[in-house]
Amino acid sequence: QVQLVESGGGLVKPGGSLRLSCAASGFTFSDYYMSWIRQAPGKGLEWVSYISSSGSTIYYADSVKGRFTISRDNAKNSLYLQMNSLRAEDTAVYYCARVPASVYWYFDLWGRGTLVTVSS
Amino acid sequence: DIQMTQSPSTLSASVGDRVTITCRASQSISSWLAWYQQKPGKAPKLLIYKASSLESGVPSRFSGSGSGTEFTLTISSLQPDDFATYYCQQYNSIRGTFGQGTKLEIK
Repeated sequence: QVQLVESGGGLVKPGGSLRLSCAASGFTFSDYYMSWIRQAPGKGLEWVSYISSSGSTIYYADSVKGRFTISRDNAKNSLYLQMNSLRAEDTAVYYCARVPASVYWYFDLWGRGTLVTVSS
Repeated sequence: DIQMTQSPSTLSASVGDRVTITCRASQSISSWLAWYQQKPGKAPKLLIYKASSLESGVPSRFSGSGSGTEFTLTISSLQPDDFATYYCQQYNSIRGTFGQGTKLEIK
């Protein structure tokens, strides 16, 4: 079954850290660019970060640059998002998503998301 | 960044209606536009890519059109399963941006 399953969300204090994971199955993970997208409660969607299939090319939204780090382990079919210096405005459901081709930056497969809440 | 503006923000319609949602880009994005459907508590689902290409498995009552800065998503005959929030997303630039969403409600 082709799917993405996120984990690692939870409640964290401002300034704290959290590491999200995304487990991929049912497709050749190492062939695809991957991405994280987030959605604040009751709000719209915001792209967070992309990583190339090999992990050699990475992009970040300005809102998270310098605080978040995306990575992947193709041997484990897993995508990660290390989030440091968390702020209240980082509170959101975080989705991992697959990019169908390296030059087409839309998302054809999404996970169900994991909720990150930043609050004291 | 390219700004995406959807209209209307909320749309009330009945089963069987034909509905159209508009998405405007702040600059030309050629045909690099996708549409997603999201239901409460669920992940978004890709409907349309490259402005008018229907994703595999998506019912043919969904269609997309447009190029440049103005795009539309049309549902030809609303079904009960179609009541959801719809988002457009430009991918002309690496920093793909989404519209604010259009909530399709039952009249």
